[in-house]
Amino acid sequence: DGGITQSPKYLFRKEGQNVTLSCEQNLNHDAMYWYRQDPGQGLRLIYYSQIVNDFQKGDIAEGYSVSREKKESFPLTVTSAQKNPTAFYLCASSTITARTDTQYFGPGTRLTVL
Amino acid sequence: GDSVTQMEGPVTLSEEAFLTINCTYTATGYPSLFWYVQYPGEGLQLLLKATKADDKGSNKGFEATYRKETTSFHLEKGSVQVSDSAVYFCALSDSNSGYALNFGKGTSLLVTP
Repeated sequence: DGGITQSPKYLFRKEGQNVTLSCEQNLNHDAMYWYRQDPGQGLRLIYYSQIVNDFQKGDIAEGYSVSREKKESFPLTVTSAQKNPTAFYLCASSTITARTDTQYFGPGTRLTVL
Repeated sequence: GDSVTQMEGPVTLSEEAFLTINCTYTATGYPSLFWYVQYPGEGLQLLLKATKADDKGSNKGFEATYRKETTSFHLEKGSVQVSDSAVYFCALSDSNSGYALNFGKGTSLLVTP
């Protein structure tokens, strides 16, 4: 089955630790995105990548880092510099970056800072 | 910058009632418009989309029409079911950030039997 997988589903982090969230897609999509969702809020864009080895900051990139070494993978690292990382993180992908293109979402990772 | 405003929830309806969730947008370019649905603890699923003015997107009994003159994309369904209970997000494709989606805050819908 084609789709987007995110792991782990739940993640707990101690203050001061870096953690990496996995996002993998087998849809052969060029573009991938990371969003953050807080309770009662819409999704906010963290980073996006239109092609391998290239990525751009979104609206709330501070305290996060990404890499795009393979087309199918776009991991997100939440660093200790992120002041309030507890949130639901969603990865998405689309065929290309185009005005009309549909984004497909993974099931999400819920990160809690202890 | 581009933005989306949708009606605050929660919205509570009885089964078979008519649903409207209002969505308006501000955009510098000519965005595509989307409605996504999120069930508890899950990711988002595309419900419908429209890519140009006067287009009507439809799926599973839900409809929304791209109204450029009123910058709106209201979601409607003639008869809701308990299984429609979820959070609904209106979004536009933002040309300023690689056509990433710019979301409204979401509207929670609860349908009671």
